[in-house]
Amino acid sequence: AQTVTQSQPEMSVQEAETVTLSCTYDTSENNYYLFWYKQPPSRQMILVIRQEAYKQQNATENRFSVNFQKAAKSFSLKISDSQLGDTAMYFCAFMTGSSNTGKLIFGQGTTLQVKP
Amino acid sequence: DTGVSQDPRHKITKRGQNVTFRCDPISEHNRLYWYRQTLGQGPEFLTYFQNEAQLEKSRLLSDRFSAERPKGSFSTLEIQRTEQGDSAMYLCASSWSLTSGGNEQYFGPGTRLTVT
Repeated sequence: AQTVTQSQPEMSVQEAETVTLSCTYDTSENNYYLFWYKQPPSRQMILVIRQEAYKQQNATENRFSVNFQKAAKSFSLKISDSQLGDTAMYFCAFMTGSSNTGKLIFGQGTTLQVKP
Repeated sequence: DTGVSQDPRHKITKRGQNVTFRCDPISEHNRLYWYRQTLGQGPEFLTYFQNEAQLEKSRLLSDRFSAERPKGSFSTLEIQRTEQGDSAMYLCASSWSLTSGGNEQYFGPGTRLTVT
C-alpha cells in the first residue's frame, strides 16, 4: 500500500523569505503522480503543483517549485518570496498511475504560518 | 462555473440519528470523490463515482455509510445511526477522468459534522 509522510507538523517563515516543506512517500509503482494541495483556514483545498513521476524535470508554478527525488521517494515543496496569503495547511498527495481510479492518498499535512 | 458546492456546510446531530450530505460537482466533470478529514489530519478517501457508477469504496466506508450519484450529476452521502467517531469534515471533489491519469481534483468547502 502506498503511504505519504509529512514529518513537519508546523513551520513558520518570515514574509518574503523562502521555506521548504518536506514529503516522503512509499510505493512499489513506477508510474504515479504527486501533488501539493493548500488548505487555507476555513477555505477549500486548492491545487498548488503537480508532478508526473516519469518526468525528470521538477515542476514549477510561479513562486512554487518542487524537488522531486524519485530514487529517494522524496517530494519537497519550496515556496519563494513567501506572502501572508501563503498561510495555510499544505498536504502532499500521491495518486497511482496504474489503476486510474484517481483517488488521492494524503499526508498528515504541514501547517505553515507566514509572519509579517 | 461556481466550482464544487456542498450542503450543508455544518451539521450537528445527536448520536443515533441519520444525516445526509449533498455535493454538486463542476458540471462537466464525470468523476466525483468523497473524502473524510479529521482535525489536523489529511483527508482519507471514502469512495468515488465515474458518472453514476460507484467504482470503489474504502474499507473506511462501513455499512452505515451509503453514497449515490443518480444520473451522474450531484451526489449524496448518507450516514445512518451516527456515532461520535463520525465527527469529521466530509469533503467532496470532482474531476475529469484522463486517459493519461493524474487528473486534478477540485474540492468543495466541505460539510463539518459534529455528533453529540
